Amino acid sequence: EAGVVQSPRYKIIEKKQPVAFWCNPISGHNTLYWYLQNLGQGPELLIRYENEEAVDDSQLPKDRFSAERLKGVDSTLKIQPAELGDSAVYLCASSLGDFTGELFFGEGSRLTVL
Amino acid sequence: AQSVTQPDIHITVSEGASLELRCNYSYGATPYLFWYVQSPGQGLQLLLKYFSGDTLVQGIKGFEAEFKRSQSSFNLRKPSVHWSDAAEYFCAVGVPGKLIFGQGTTLQVKP
Repeated sequence: EAGVVQSPRYKIIEKKQPVAFWCNPISGHNTLYWYLQNLGQGPELLIRYENEEAVDDSQLPKDRFSAERLKGVDSTLKIQPAELGDSAVYLCASSLGDFTGELFFGEGSRLTVL
Repeated sequence: AQSVTQPDIHITVSEGASLELRCNYSYGATPYLFWYVQSPGQGLQLLLKYFSGDTLVQGIKGFEAEFKRSQSSFNLRKPSVHWSDAAEYFCAVGVPGKLIFGQGTTLQVKP
């Protein structure tokens, strides 16, 4: 069974440019999470989806970040425009939604903003 | 507010030596507790979890952790470390809808 798939793995852009990250969760997992991991820090939740509904986006900086999960399967996280401080790893995770606590993480998308 | 503290940012142990990584949490209710491991350039992998019952939980790769409610701790242990255990380790507490992670402990293993 395939795990959580993220792309791109690495992205280098100049500030003020847009960037998008894609995530395909494990088949059958109705809960999808985007986490932000700054260097030397633990992951922090950006947004959580239950199927296609964003049920917790309280930590998503909505002035420049947006996300969608059309059809309740894969998801896209967008930053427009990117700032230097957005350099980080963006992790996607999925779970069955019954909150047994086992989140399955993708390998992450590492963003560098120059 | 819920939080997780991992007091040791970086730990170095010799291969074959025992290991203990510390974790303290702050949460008002009965906690769900987790340890994840992250190898360089990889996502996080679940090592073990505690929901209820026996306070000593066994995980993958020979790791175990002990929940101590009186100390609000959930320390991770391994009796004999292997070079392949070098990675970053995250403790997390489960609150409704998400996991809250500590800042992580980087483990270096000396040959």
